[in-house]
Amino acid sequence: YELTQAPSVSVSPGQTARIACSGDALAKQYAYWYQKKVGQAPVLLIYKDTERPSGIPERVTGSSSGTTVTLTIDGVQAEDEADYYCQSADSSGTVVFGGGTKLTVL
Amino acid sequence: QVHLVQSGAEVKKPGASVKVSCKASGYTFNSYDIHWVRQATGQGLEWMGWMNPRNGNTGYVQKLQGRVTMTRNTSISTAFMELSNLRADDTAIYYCARPQDFGDNDFAYWGQGTLVTVSS
Repeated sequence: YELTQAPSVSVSPGQTARIACSGDALAKQYAYWYQKKVGQAPVLLIYKDTERPSGIPERVTGSSSGTTVTLTIDGVQAEDEADYYCQSADSSGTVVFGGGTKLTVL
Repeated sequence: QVHLVQSGAEVKKPGASVKVSCKASGYTFNSYDIHWVRQATGQGLEWMGWMNPRNGNTGYVQKLQGRVTMTRNTSISTAFMELSNLRADDTAIYYCARPQDFGDNDFAYWGQGTLVTVSS
């Protein structure tokens, strides 16, 4: 199965960034979100659609509706400029990543 | 705290094999699956497969079946990923990763990455 993300999103500092991820499997399976910066390992931002690991700021939230999940970053800062990936897994344990969305802070 | 420390960068010729290690610390190695994810330059994240350190069971993405082998040495809390018959498009940073909890499908802990370059 596939997860589809827009290639890029641009927002001004202080604004809200919304990054969507769609796929039929998301209606039944959880989604996870990662931030990926060049030269660094990915960082888990959201798990099980809406849960935030410790250490992730409250301005980062996840939501789910049908076959689409959305990562929302409020009060975007320059440090948020990165690639963002959604991820899910089917019932057999096969994992898939979305193609990634590049967030540009204008 | 949980740490995953990977082996260093490798340069290989096409057709060769590479074996990347991932040493775990800060938790009971046998209790959590280890997954491998790679990222080619300019490309997205690609999941390669998983291994259960307790029993050695594995699952690989279909496109790599027959070329990838995931193993472990429990005595040194280390997982290994071997990729054979290397091609230029296998050039990538390879990461090992671990879920938050047993049975979870997220990747909360990551190794630092190992650059594998395939070039003649």
